[in-house]
Amino acid sequence: DGGITQSPKYLFRKEGQNVTLSCEQNLNHDAMYWYRQDPGQGLRLIYYSQIVNDFQKGDIAEGYSVSREKKESFPLTVTSAQKNPTAFYLCASSIDRSGGYTFGSGTRLTVV
Amino acid sequence: DQQVKQNSPSLSVQEGRISILNCDYTNSMFDYFLWYKKYPAEGPTFLISISSIKDKNEDGRFTVFLNKSAKHLSLHIVPSQPGDSAVYFCAASVSNFGNEKLTFGTGTRLTIIP
Repeated sequence: DGGITQSPKYLFRKEGQNVTLSCEQNLNHDAMYWYRQDPGQGLRLIYYSQIVNDFQKGDIAEGYSVSREKKESFPLTVTSAQKNPTAFYLCASSIDRSGGYTFGSGTRLTVV
Repeated sequence: DQQVKQNSPSLSVQEGRISILNCDYTNSMFDYFLWYKKYPAEGPTFLISISSIKDKNEDGRFTVFLNKSAKHLSLHIVPSQPGDSAVYFCAASVSNFGNEKLTFGTGTRLTIIP
């Protein structure tokens, strides 16, 4: 059964610590994306990758980093430089834009 | 700068009636539009899309209308069912030789009243 897996579903971290969110897909999609959802602000693009070993900054990349060493995997690191890291993070992939994106179930990160 | 706007944060509709969700955009380069449905603590799921060369697309109970001159699209759900209660996002993209990315609106929470 193809899909996108995000783990963990809930994550708690202390302020000042880096944390990495996992995203794995077995859909054979080339493109992968990370979005952040905050109340009343919709989904905002953090980083995206159209192909292995290449990625671009989205609209709110500051304080985040990514890697794309394998087609199936696109992990997101939330660094201590991110000023407001508490949010719901969504990973997505696509083969082309006609069918839209396939989203994972999200990771809720809470920084205390 | 919010390029895709959903000005109604919430909407309540009686079961069996029509639900109309609206979306406005400012970027005239957008040429592909999509609607997503999202339940709490889950990822959005794709509902329906429309290309800018069309003004209407139907899929079962869902119809999307596009008015390019007004930079406005709407999603109609007929008849509305309790399972339709969710947050709906519209999204748009610009053709960029396979390098498209979606810009999302802020969402409208639809509540269907039994």
